[in-house]
Amino acid sequence: ETGVTQTPRHLVMGMTNKKSLKCEQHLGHNAMYWYKQSAKKPLELMFVYNFKEQTENNSVPSRFSPECPNSSHLFLHLHTLQPEDSALYLCASSQDTRDNTEAFFGQGTRLTVV
Amino acid sequence: GEDVEQSLFLSVREGDSSVINCTYTDSSSTYLYWYKQEPGAGLQLLTYIFSNMDMKQDQRLTVLLNKKDKHLSLRIADTQTGDSAIYFCAETLAFSGNTGKLIFGQGTTLQVKP
Repeated sequence: ETGVTQTPRHLVMGMTNKKSLKCEQHLGHNAMYWYKQSAKKPLELMFVYNFKEQTENNSVPSRFSPECPNSSHLFLHLHTLQPEDSALYLCASSQDTRDNTEAFFGQGTRLTVV
Repeated sequence: GEDVEQSLFLSVREGDSSVINCTYTDSSSTYLYWYKQEPGAGLQLLTYIFSNMDMKQDQRLTVLLNKKDKHLSLRIADTQTGDSAIYFCAETLAFSGNTGKLIFGQGTTLQVKP
């Protein structure tokens, strides 16, 4: 139990589908993050939320739409994705966004776009 | 620019020491981290070092930082089969307004043979 839970664990979707990834943290943290982990590429930061406000969008295409209704929940809404978007999507949380704050990661959602 | 590089694969025998290396490019990094990812799991923080330190030891783990060469290493003493995982080096860039952005390397797969 890492304190950060992601659902679903696996998702297969067509390019015309709309789906959402969910992340929930039970650690009382104020910052939440979405990362993308592709095969043989470094982890890429996608979005940062701090106190429910988006503080960073790392040039992510608009077909990925994050939502943070409260400090405990983070969603990633997906629509009209491409096969190259297939990857492991990791959610993380931390107490805040200071650089000495430990980030806790969920187990990830393995997304396959067909 | 922001770039963290690691070798992709390391194989050792059980009981030997493992040394995983990492180079980074941004001299303004304040904290450098080692994360471990076991199969099917999210990233787990192993240890971190502040940029004004050159060594940190934590049980079987020793982190060495050569700031002049921008080189970070993780040594695992008495490596066990349970240490088999992917190890990620990460750096934090400190800049005003939005700290806490982690830049990850590609990850080094550590294979421990019995």
